[in-house]
Amino acid sequence: DAKTTQPTSMDCAEGRAANLPCNHSTISGNEYVYWYRQIHSQGPQYIIHGLKNNETNEMASLIITEDRKSSTLILPHATLRDTAVYYCIVRVGGKFQFGAGTQVVVTP
Amino acid sequence: DTGVSQDPRHKITKRGQNVTFRCDPISEHNRLYWYRQTLGQGPEFLTYFQNEAQLEKSRLLSDRFSAERPKGSFSTLEIQRTEQGDSAMYLCASSLRLADSYNEQFFGPGTRLTVL
Repeated sequence: DAKTTQPTSMDCAEGRAANLPCNHSTISGNEYVYWYRQIHSQGPQYIIHGLKNNETNEMASLIITEDRKSSTLILPHATLRDTAVYYCIVRVGGKFQFGAGTQVVVTP
Repeated sequence: DTGVSQDPRHKITKRGQNVTFRCDPISEHNRLYWYRQTLGQGPEFLTYFQNEAQLEKSRLLSDRFSAERPKGSFSTLEIQRTEQGDSAMYLCASSLRLADSYNEQFFGPGTRLTVL
């Protein structure tokens, strides 16, 4: 079973920030949180990862709570091309354990 | 192109036939993973290799499935006596495993298998 839970879907208006929550209450102290997205019929694409501190890159920001039991992926200015399924993942052993992800639809 | 490549991209076969998929990872990556994804679901882990050693296999990987990575570079996934339930997208990913580091995986485009 996946170690993360995410909402099934969410909508976002183009140009607005999209905030994607994820719960990972059983995460261990040395486990990273990864975010990937998958656009229809393509392989998953890496977005960002973090351990304890908040992270930012050219695609997104990752906010991790102090107790590390949840995190939020922020897409600062959503575009239509950001429509995808977004996966929050905690690595279990050597492998990723995906959940069903959040279907994000960006609307004009 | 230095990304992960998979071949073929699409495969249609009849039930009972054998199929083989190939994955070429990013050249310096020592880990290679196989996942299966059905419609509306996230990818499910099947197996992974570190160099040529197969380190873990999911219980999803029945005895009809076999994966190899003979020289620690490319990998093949074979499905024998295919069943309609094997219809799915088969994804390959690779990563560079360093001690005590995070483990970003780079995914290929997948092979879509349809079993008639």
